[in-house]
Amino acid sequence: GDSVTQMEGPVTLSEEAFLTINCTYTATGYPSLFWYVQYPGEGLQLLLKATKADDKGSNKGFEATYRKETTSFHLEKGSVQVSDSAVYFCALSGSGGTASKLTFGTGTRLQVTL
Amino acid sequence: DAGVTQSPTHLIKTRGQQVTLRCSPKSGHDTVSWYQQALGQGPQFIFQYYEEEERQRGNFPDRFSGHQFPNYSSELNVNALLLGDSALYLCASSLLGVPNQPQHFGDGTRLSIL
Repeated sequence: GDSVTQMEGPVTLSEEAFLTINCTYTATGYPSLFWYVQYPGEGLQLLLKATKADDKGSNKGFEATYRKETTSFHLEKGSVQVSDSAVYFCALSGSGGTASKLTFGTGTRLQVTL
Repeated sequence: DAGVTQSPTHLIKTRGQQVTLRCSPKSGHDTVSWYQQALGQGPQFIFQYYEEEERQRGNFPDRFSGHQFPNYSSELNVNALLLGDSALYLCASSLLGVPNQPQHFGDGTRLSIL
């Protein structure tokens, strides 16, 4: 079945450092890929998405590129801020379209310090 | 434009009891999915409703059941509660049949089983 593997956290960075959170996936067909962010005590917010190979999703300085050849969707940001501290989830939805069920990774906690 | 709303925000039950959680989808959405997020884990798909029918189901026992109403709102019912059912229950809504539309999440219901 479908699965998502994320790098384990927590990831601790100083403000303005470069961020990479690795994500790889296993899926049949052509899934859509997502990054969601969860702040303490809240639900999930969509951060960015990509729906086909070589697409780059971007939002709020975060970027991720859909790499079918390496089955990866790594999240990057050039300069993190304290306000980026949260848990980040990589997810995919199957070839039934973006309304299909989401399969999530276990999440990566990011802590940014001054 | 109201997003996805869930009620209640917190709930405490004892083993063996039954619980009903409620979700109102984002305006314009017709599909509701439910997820269970255990502490420190990624969300796990429970089931999805569209046109008042269960469209997809994850690997959850029959103790977990749901319903969707004509106004697209939804309920999640869990019978014979176990300690392991303690989790954050997330509802997500989307629009079926429209390409590349992501799922939007509510803030969840925190269920604690004593």
